[in-house]
Amino acid sequence: NAGVTQTPKFRILKIGQSMTLQCTQDMNHNYMYWYRQDPGMGLKLIYYSVGAGITDKGEVPNGYNVSRSTTEDFPLRLELAAPSQTSVYFCASSYPGTAHSYEQYFGPGTRLTVT
Amino acid sequence: EDKVVQSPLSLVVHEGDTVTLNCSYEVTNFRSLLWYKQEKKAPTFLFMLTSSGIEKKSGRLSSILDKKELFSILNITATQTGDSAVYLCAVDGRGDRGSTLGRLYFGRGTQLTVWP
Repeated sequence: NAGVTQTPKFRILKIGQSMTLQCTQDMNHNYMYWYRQDPGMGLKLIYYSVGAGITDKGEVPNGYNVSRSTTEDFPLRLELAAPSQTSVYFCASSYPGTAHSYEQYFGPGTRLTVT
Repeated sequence: EDKVVQSPLSLVVHEGDTVTLNCSYEVTNFRSLLWYKQEKKAPTFLFMLTSSGIEKKSGRLSSILDKKELFSILNITATQTGDSAVYLCAVDGRGDRGSTLGRLYFGRGTQLTVWP
């Protein structure tokens, strides 16, 4: 079980470029999440998905897009990179959290710098 | 406006000391409170607390929740240099639009540094 994997680990983008951050989980979790973590701050939810074909916005969705065509994959797209998107991005997954709480499992993160 | 507030933001101690980390919250439709440890990479799960007054323990770490006063503490006894990390508190509350999806609200974390 690899858990949650993310690629790339690091990336430097120029302003206006676009890229896709990849996230895959092999735990058959329905719920997946994208967070960003700025220095000295907690994690902020960007987008989440409750299953294939279903996505919704979190706290800070502007400038990002997601898709969920399979249970395993949840890529995050940046269309026009801006310096404000410099951050560490974490993908996470969990069992369905309707009646009960379940812990979220996190990937290793992608450190993105936009200059 | 912060829904989850952790204190202190930073703490420096020597090996063997005991530390208490605090987390207060204000989240709609509280379901659980979780503690994570983050060592320069992905957060790793420590505890999930759902009921008041029941202490969770794992080795030298323990945590307790007070749902009336809306806070939790994380205790670490006999600290070691390997305990140096950021400790994140997160609260699982129902989504703002009343969805059934629980979502985590994170605090800023407490940076713990343990000197030998």
